[in-house]
Order: sequence, then C-alpha cells, then structure tokens
Amino acid sequence: KAGVTQTPRYLIKTRGQQVTLSCSPISGHRSVSWYQQTPGQGLQFLFEYFSETQRNKGNFPGRFSGRQFSNSRSEMNVSTLELGDSALYLCASSLDVGLEQFFGPGTRLTVL
Amino acid sequence: GENVEQHPSTLSVQEGDSAVIKCTYSDSASNYFPWYKQELGKGPQLIIDIRSNVGEKKDQRIAVTLNKTAKHFSLHITETQPEDSAVYFCAASTTAGNQFYFGTGTSLTVIP
Repeated sequence: KAGVTQTPRYLIKTRGQQVTLSCSPISGHRSVSWYQQTPGQGLQFLFEYFSETQRNKGNFPGRFSGRQFSNSRSEMNVSTLELGDSALYLCASSLDVGLEQFFGPGTRLTVL
Repeated sequence: GENVEQHPSTLSVQEGDSAVIKCTYSDSASNYFPWYKQELGKGPQLIIDIRSNVGEKKDQRIAVTLNKTAKHFSLHITETQPEDSAVYFCAASTTAGNQFYFGTGTSLTVIP
C-alpha cells in the first residue's frame, strides 16, 4: 500500500507570493490533517479535513487555507507569504477521527 | 486546549543501553497517545501507540507506559542501536476530535 505523498518536496518563494501544497492520502483514508513544523515551535496543527469538510482548525491566520477533494486528496494554500512561514509542512492521513495518523515526507518551504 | 510536555529535549546513550522519554499531558479527555520517530529529511513515522484503557504496550524493543491518574506516558527503548538515533515525538489526542497535540521532541543519539 502506498504511503502519504506530498508535492512538491521543496519550494522556494519570496515574500508576498502565494503557494499551494498538495497531499495524497493513503488509499481509503478520508481524513487529512496538515501540520507546520519549525525548529522553534515544533509540530503545530493547521487544519483537518474529512470528506471534503474542514472539521478542525488550529490557531493560524486566515492566510492559511485548505481544501479536500472528493478523492480525499488535499491542498493547502498560503497567501501573502512571510519570512516566518518558512517551515516543513506535513500532511497526515487516517481512516477516521481518533485513529492512527500516518505522515507524508513533507514539503520544505523556504520564503526569501 | 491540550498541552503536552516532553523531556528530555536531547538524550545520548551508549549502544545497548536503554533510553526513556517522558511526556505529560493536561487534558483528562485525551485517550490516545502515539509516539513518532522522525529521521532527518523524513516525515514522522508512527512507532507505537497506546489507548487509555491500557497501561502498557510492548513491541519488540519498544514499550510505552501510561499513567492516566498522573497524566503521563513514557517511551522505553531497550538494547538501543545506532539506527535508533532520531527525533522522537509524543502526542495526545481524543477520539472525539482528530486534532493531535505534539510534544516538542527528543533528539536521541545512540553512540556506537
């Protein structure tokens, strides 16, 4: 069974630009969560989608948004990029709430 | 919300020795506690988990213990090997919400 895949793996953007990251969950998994990982803040929850609906949202500004498609693939978008948005963005999938989450390799975003 | 604290932040052990990482949580509603191993350049990998109806769980050289009264849980790695060197994260979650709260990580180094 293929694992969680994320594209692209690396991304370099400049301040003010916007970016879209993609996540394909494990086949059959309907829940997709996004996390931001930085050395200073650790793993911080962004949002979680299930069957195309956002069920949970972390404490991030509105510049961070996401969506989920009918095939459970998910995208997250960050608009008006700031230097502090440089981080590893991780996607995790699970069958449903409260069950094991499996992470993808992440997308390393660098904002210059 | 939930607050997960993890100690120590760094840990060095000799090959063959045991390693113990401890986490505490604040929300008594949390009932699912996974542990993740993250190697350089990769996403976190689920290595073991425990639910609140169990006090201990073991998988070969890895074990996790949970004390619900004291709200703490621990990861035990016995007979450590160099390939165990990585960053380990604990997390807490409830079955009601699919939001995971992560500890700040422990960088484990196994010295050959």
